[in-house]
Amino acid sequence: GNSVTQMEGPVTLSEEAFLTINCTYTATGYPSLFWYVQYPGEGLQLLLKATKADDKGSNKGFEATYRKETTSFHLEKGSVQVSDSAVYFCALSPMNTGFQKLVFGTGTRLLVSP
Amino acid sequence: NAGVTQTPKFRVLKTGQSMTLLCAQDMNHEYMYWYRQDPGMGLRLIHYSVGEGTTAKGEVPDGYNVSRLKKQNFLLGLESAAPSQTSVYFCASSYSWPGNNEQFFGPGTRLTVL
Repeated sequence: GNSVTQMEGPVTLSEEAFLTINCTYTATGYPSLFWYVQYPGEGLQLLLKATKADDKGSNKGFEATYRKETTSFHLEKGSVQVSDSAVYFCALSPMNTGFQKLVFGTGTRLLVSP
Repeated sequence: NAGVTQTPKFRVLKTGQSMTLLCAQDMNHEYMYWYRQDPGMGLRLIHYSVGEGTTAKGEVPDGYNVSRLKKQNFLLGLESAAPSQTSVYFCASSYSWPGNNEQFFGPGTRLTVL
């Protein structure tokens, strides 16, 4: 079936450090891939997405590249800020007929200290 | 625009009690969703709707019912609450198919069943 695996958290970094949060997926065909972010006390927000292989999604300094060969969609940011502290969810939407629901990973909490 | 709103924000129920969670969106979206979020399990789809007057089951529909009498509202009902339904519930909406369309999430309802 379709599934998303994310690295366990929390990820703890100092401000201005480089961030990588790993995400790998299992799906048939070419699913669409997403990163959502959940700030404390809020609902999820779309951070970025990619809909085909080798696409790079980017937003707010975050980037992720759709790698079909390694079935991965790792999230990166060159210099994190305290305000980036949140839970990050990787998700996929399978390419199949009928309703294409989102499949979420378990989430990775990021804690950034000053 | 308020986006997606949910009421109530918090609720404590006793086993066997019933309640209804209300979700409202002002973006004229066709699709609406109810998810539950549990530690270590990410988000799981309970029910969804692809338009006014329609509902369908998601991954974990048992113990829940939904209604979409108006396009802007999506109600989630618990007829006889159980401790296993203790969770954070999120409503979301999207313009069209979730595969390529951003889902907009509400702030969540934290439900505790004693």
